[in-house]
Formats: sequence, C-alpha cells, structure tokens
Amino acid sequence: DIQMTQSPSTLSASVGDGATITCRASQSISTSLAWYQQKPGKAPKVLIYKASSLESGVPSRFSGSGSGTEFTLTISSLQPDDFASYYCQQYSDYPVTFGQGTRLEIK
Amino acid sequence: EVQLLESGGGLVQPGGSLRLSCAGSGFTFSDHYMDWVRQAPRKGLEWVGRIRKQANGYSTEYAASVKGRFSVSRDDSKNSLYLQMSILKTEDTAVYYCVRVTSGGSHWHLDLWGRGTLVTVSS
Repeated sequence: DIQMTQSPSTLSASVGDGATITCRASQSISTSLAWYQQKPGKAPKVLIYKASSLESGVPSRFSGSGSGTEFTLTISSLQPDDFASYYCQQYSDYPVTFGQGTRLEIK
Repeated sequence: EVQLLESGGGLVQPGGSLRLSCAGSGFTFSDHYMDWVRQAPRKGLEWVGRIRKQANGYSTEYAASVKGRFSVSRDDSKNSLYLQMSILKTEDTAVYYCVRVTSGGSHWHLDLWGRGTLVTVSS
C-alpha cells in the first residue's frame, strides 16, 4: 500500500497568516493527489485534485503543488473559516489511502 | 438538491452484520463510481471500498481491512448504494460516509459526501 505522511500534525496560526501543509507519498504517485478540508462534526470537502486543480467554488487562497512524492497545500491568508482539519489522499493505486491529517488551529 | 443520504447505522454486537444504504438525488447516479469512506471516533479518514458503474461491470475494490467481510453494491434504478458488513469487529466502529466519485481522465476526486451514519460495534 502507498503510505501518505502529512506534516505537521498540528499547525497553529493567526488570521491573515499563510499556512503550508506537506504530504509525502511512500512511492511516486505522479499528480494523483487530492486535498480535503473537514470541520468538526461535518463531512470532508474536496479542495484540490490532480495535485493543483482547484475544485469549483473553493476560494483562490487555497493552492496545491507538487508531483511524484512531495506535495503541499498552501493557504495564502488564513480566514476564520479555514481553521479545520486537512487530509491528503492518493488515488494512484488501490487501496486509496489518506494522510493522517493536519489540524489547523488558531494561535 | 444534489445530495447523498445514508441510513442503517446503529449498535451491533461483535461478529454481527449490518447493511448501510445511501440514497442519491439531484444528479445522474448511474454515471458515477461510488465509494464508502469511514472515520473512527477522533481518528482520520479511511477509504473502505468502491463500486464502478455499469459500463465497468459494477466491479469493486476494497481496503484490506474489510476485504472478505464487507460488500459494496448498488441499484441504479433506485439511485442507491449499499454496504453489507459482516463479521463486524470493534475496530469497525466509525462514521460511514457515502461518497460520489467524479473523474476526468485518469484523475478523480470525492466531490460529494453524505452526512454519514454511525456504526457502533460493541457488546
């Protein structure tokens, strides 16, 4: 199975700050990667797919980059609504696997 | 309204069985692969399984942790997805999400999620 490792596990930041979350795959997955945001008690929501394609309706302050084994999710200027958990997911091969998650909290 | 609505969760004893259902509405259900994803209490997301559409023979894929115990099926005439779970273990306790897969070439993403249904496996 392809292992996905996110860092950091927890990120503390303030409104207006930038934030970067990293996801590493245990083997090359080309650009077969998606990012999801999840708020407490809610279902996840897709933000990015194909490593850097922004899902319709997602604010442009979210961006994704990377290929192969290293990927990043960047939020350019944090808004109060952005404090949530974030997960990367690879779909290069079965089984589909998620990272362990990154909790973005208010400093 | 475009939505997915799960049902069928509840409390079940270890070794027991349960069937989850998911009703889709507001979109052409038969055009999409469909997934089940689960989340144990205070844990991360775990992909459970997938069923492809009719053109792909309704073929399925499963996570190793559920293979041989869980079965995904669908009834496109009812816009419904199912998860038959058997030989349930305490570690299967989780919120189970029904999820739509949207693809573009070799790339896809999980773009529509239900609210989830809680399955608790306990004696």
